Amino acid sequence: GDSVTQMEGPVTLSEEAFLTINCTYTATGYPSLFWYVQYPGEGLQLLLKATKADDKGSNKGFEATYRKETTSFHLEKGSVQVSDSAVYFCALSDQGNAGKSTFGDGTTLTVKP
Amino acid sequence: DTAVSQTPKYLVTQMGNDKSIKCEQNLGHDTMYWYKQDSKKFLKIMFSYNNKELIINETVPNRFSPKSPDKAHLNLHINSLELGDSAVYFCASSQRSRGRGEQYFGPGTRLTVT
Repeated sequence: GDSVTQMEGPVTLSEEAFLTINCTYTATGYPSLFWYVQYPGEGLQLLLKATKADDKGSNKGFEATYRKETTSFHLEKGSVQVSDSAVYFCALSDQGNAGKSTFGDGTTLTVKP
Repeated sequence: DTAVSQTPKYLVTQMGNDKSIKCEQNLGHDTMYWYKQDSKKFLKIMFSYNNKELIINETVPNRFSPKSPDKAHLNLHINSLELGDSAVYFCASSQRSRGRGEQYFGPGTRLTVT
């Protein structure tokens, strides 16, 4: 079945550091890929998405590129801020599987001033 | 204005009780979901309804029963609550028929069973 593996946390960075959170996936079809962010005490919010190979999703300075050859969708940001502290989830959606989304285990990011 | 809303936000109850959580979405989506998030932040899908039809029913104790009175609402009823049911429960919705699978989440209901 489908699966998503993302970098284990927690990750602690200083403000303005470069961020990478690795995500790889296994899927039988042609999934769409997503990054969701969960701020403390809130629900998940869609951060960015990519629907086909080589697509780049971007939002709020975050980027991720859909790499079919390496089955990866790594999240990057050039300069993190304290306000980026949150839990980040990589996910895939396979429309052929009842539209079910498969989520990674989440990576907790803490950014210190 | 709220896209996906849940009530209540907090629920504290004793073992053995029965409780319900309600969810409503005003996005016009055709699919709704219930997820359980444990203390380690792991997210596990429980149920999904598409146009009021149950399409995903993961391995969940049958003490949990979802009900979808219409496309905009999905409720979760839990019988005979146990300590292990303590978690945050999230409702979500998506437009399965035309969308690419992105989901919109509610703010969560933190259930504490004592």
